[in-house]
Amino acid sequence: QKEVEQNSGPLSVPEGAIASLNCTYSDRGSQSFFWYRQYSGKSPELIMSIYSNGDKEDGRFTAQLNKASQYVSLLIRDSQPSDSATYLCAASGYSSASKIIFGSGTRLSIRP
Amino acid sequence: DAGVTQSPTHLIKTRGQQVTLRCSPKSGHDTVSWYQQALGQGPQFIFQYYEEEERQRGNFPDRFSGHQFPNYSSELNVNALLLGDSALYLCASSPRQGGLGWGEQYFGPGTRLTVT
Repeated sequence: QKEVEQNSGPLSVPEGAIASLNCTYSDRGSQSFFWYRQYSGKSPELIMSIYSNGDKEDGRFTAQLNKASQYVSLLIRDSQPSDSATYLCAASGYSSASKIIFGSGTRLSIRP
Repeated sequence: DAGVTQSPTHLIKTRGQQVTLRCSPKSGHDTVSWYQQALGQGPQFIFQYYEEEERQRGNFPDRFSGHQFPNYSSELNVNALLLGDSALYLCASSPRQGGLGWGEQYFGPGTRLTVT
């Protein structure tokens, strides 16, 4: 069973600090990775995608990928109360026959 | 630029009934995927449509079927509803990746289905 694992949280981080969210995946064939943010009662919103080992930065967000260790992480700098949400990690292979698998999400709470 | 739209927003059905959910993809996208999301869980992939054909399917029974129209919009049909089908049903669209797997997907607001 191919899986994507995330700590369900809640992860509580003080405002202005760095929030670090982690995700591990079991399928070594996974090549594409995505982070989504989901506010309560809303649909997922794409934050970032990452395909290559290393870091990818977009504003306050940095995605990190380590294929050898099969983990993906998302760092949120200068955390704001509006960052409080559930963060979903997703992984898929690099062919049209690959499935996409989502983790169950990590609930992040930014405390003022 | 219109994003992904879904209808209806909420739906209440009785066990054994059938339901049809609708989705219009984001402008410029031709691939539509459907997901089921239970409370506290991540989205579970149901199937994906491209060029009016089902291209991929997750671990869902045949009671779940779909269709894609020439304008890329899509429908999800669920027959013989069970209580366990109660969930948020999400549609996501993406541009075709040219056979190179999954690209960035954009989700619609979802349809909340309650089966009683």
